[in-house]
Amino acid sequence: GAGVSQSPRYKVAKRGQDVALRCDPISGHVSLFWYQQALGQGPEFLTYFQNEAQLDKSGLPSDRFFAERPEGSVSTLKIQRTQQEDSAVYLCASSLSWGYGYTFGSGTRLTVV
Amino acid sequence: SQELEQSPQSLIVQEGKNLTINCTSSKTLYGLYWYKQKYGEGLIFLMMLQKGGEEKSHEKITAKLDEKKQQSSLHITASQPSHAGIYLCGASLQGAQKLVFGQGTRLTINP
Repeated sequence: GAGVSQSPRYKVAKRGQDVALRCDPISGHVSLFWYQQALGQGPEFLTYFQNEAQLDKSGLPSDRFFAERPEGSVSTLKIQRTQQEDSAVYLCASSLSWGYGYTFGSGTRLTVV
Repeated sequence: SQELEQSPQSLIVQEGKNLTINCTSSKTLYGLYWYKQKYGEGLIFLMMLQKGGEEKSHEKITAKLDEKKQQSSLHITASQPSHAGIYLCGASLQGAQKLVFGQGTRLTINP
């Protein structure tokens, strides 16, 4: 596609519920990143894929967070047993390769109630 | 992230005035990116700087990279209401693939 597409745009989850957030990167982009952005803050790195390989997951805040990109294209970020502190905007970005620009999606705003 | 500090955190200027936003890194920069974000939306790419001394301009926005100082500045000339939003600097530190971001600068333009 022309840009990075994320769905859903908004998600309200009850505490304890599992959620899955989807990212469709730009076709052909090798690198894919997930970020978490709390209100009034800059994005914080969560995890990074190169094709289907998850090369860096150092930013995942707990073992409740899990990301996958099984075919090296679409990626899913899953959060199990959501907590209120998980409320944030989750941003996905893709890049052709290192040194090229990073294109961000519009994000998924997750609210845990 | 403390690795990238932006200043000021918020800025209110009158339409038509010039302004500068700074971004300072505590580590070696391998690429510096400027993005703009409107509330509730994703990040819009503005400019990428990779070499020390590099300067890029797009319309009324100019960004510079001072590699020695590990610092970048974003300058807006003759500000307009359309410039309002949150400006974020992001950097690839020490060759890492991921970007680290500053906390953002919220720019308000008063008519």
